[in-house]
Amino acid sequence: DAGVIQSPRHEVTEMGQEVTLRCKLISGHNSLFWYRQTMMRGLELLIYFNNNVPIDDSGMPEDRFSAKMPNASFSTLKIQPSEPRDSAVYFCASSRTDRGPSTDTQYFGPGTRLTVL
Amino acid sequence: DAKTTQPPSMDCAEGRAANLPCNHSTISGNEYVYWYRQIHSQGPQYIIHGLKNNETNEMASLIITEDRKSSTLILPHATLRDTAVYYCTSGYSTLTFGKGTMLLVSP
Repeated sequence: DAGVIQSPRHEVTEMGQEVTLRCKLISGHNSLFWYRQTMMRGLELLIYFNNNVPIDDSGMPEDRFSAKMPNASFSTLKIQPSEPRDSAVYFCASSRTDRGPSTDTQYFGPGTRLTVL
Repeated sequence: DAKTTQPPSMDCAEGRAANLPCNHSTISGNEYVYWYRQIHSQGPQYIIHGLKNNETNEMASLIITEDRKSSTLILPHATLRDTAVYYCTSGYSTLTFGKGTMLLVSP
């Protein structure tokens, strides 16, 4: 089975432009997590979906960020307009949450390195 | 979500066992302890998890204290490729990652 797939792997854009990051879940997984990693703040959870429904978006920085799951196996994270402080590595992870009140193992993608000039 | 505390860095000689400690004194009774590692520029990689009992897989062993307030990840024969940041984490539906331990394995 292929792991979590993210695209693009690298993105360089200019301030004010729209950026869309993409993530394909592992087949059979039903939970999706978007993280952001910077040197200053480490690995931060942005949003968590379960069965295509956003469950916790408290980590989304502001209205410029939005995430969707148009179907059970795919997600997008959009930043509009982008700013230099959004420069970071963005990871998505998926898991199969069916064991009750406990997290299931999250498997991470390779990440998208975003640079906003 | 429970918070974890780890030493910022550790050194280990190649071929020796690496023992990475983690304190998770606020963990809830039904929260699993997870260990991940992140090799430079890659996504975090799952290593092992446990609830109460000690666990072992092909990558590592996990020792959890009886009171579940701390755990130790053991890499029995560390190699240079085990150099990475190791994260101990736990949570209910989501995981909170701290700064982890930077393990440097030297020849």
